[in-house]
Amino acid sequence: ILNVEQSPQSLHVQEGDSTNFTCSFPSSNFYALHWYRWETAKSPEALFVMTLNGDEKKKGRISATLNTKEGYSYLYIKGSQPEDSATYLCALHMEYGNKLVFGAGTILRVKS
Amino acid sequence: DTEVTQTPKHLVMGMTNKKSLKCEQHMGHRAMYWYKQKAKKPPELMFVYSYEKLSINESVPSRFSPECPNSSLLNLHLHALQPEDSALYLCASSPQYGGSPHEQFFGPGTRLTVL
Repeated sequence: ILNVEQSPQSLHVQEGDSTNFTCSFPSSNFYALHWYRWETAKSPEALFVMTLNGDEKKKGRISATLNTKEGYSYLYIKGSQPEDSATYLCALHMEYGNKLVFGAGTILRVKS
Repeated sequence: DTEVTQTPKHLVMGMTNKKSLKCEQHMGHRAMYWYKQKAKKPPELMFVYSYEKLSINESVPSRFSPECPNSSLLNLHLHALQPEDSALYLCASSPQYGGSPHEQFFGPGTRLTVL
């Protein structure tokens, strides 16, 4: 059974703080690492799809890095805003087909 | 239209009921998925349809019966469910199944409660 671990489980920060969280996975054959943002009562929304070791992606204040050799990905949020409050899920895109194996997520709460 | 819609949003059913969940997308995607998420757990893949054919069944009990009547619609028929089947059921779609790693587009889910 493939385990995708996310830490921390939850995080409370003040508006303006920068924060980061981790997705860990066993180094194995996979196509890509996905990050999703999931706001309460809404649909999970894709942030990044990362495929290469050393890959770094950025969207506004949010960025992510991928280290496939050591089996981790970091998600960074610079200058957190209340609207960043959500659950952030990572998922391994397995080599065969389009199957995603998700972590349990990191819940971020940003206080104004 | 980059939206995946799911109906109903909430469903309460008894163990002897038969109900269906519906998912729809109009992005021209040819792969569609059902996931199940229990509280504080990761979403878990149940079924994958590719070009309206079932490609993956993750050993899901037969009381869950998926159906893909056309490329835009995905149904999940429910019969004789157990209370432990209570969960959030998410539908997703992607341009295709296999090939390049495409992002999946998710619906907001159906919250199912089995009494």
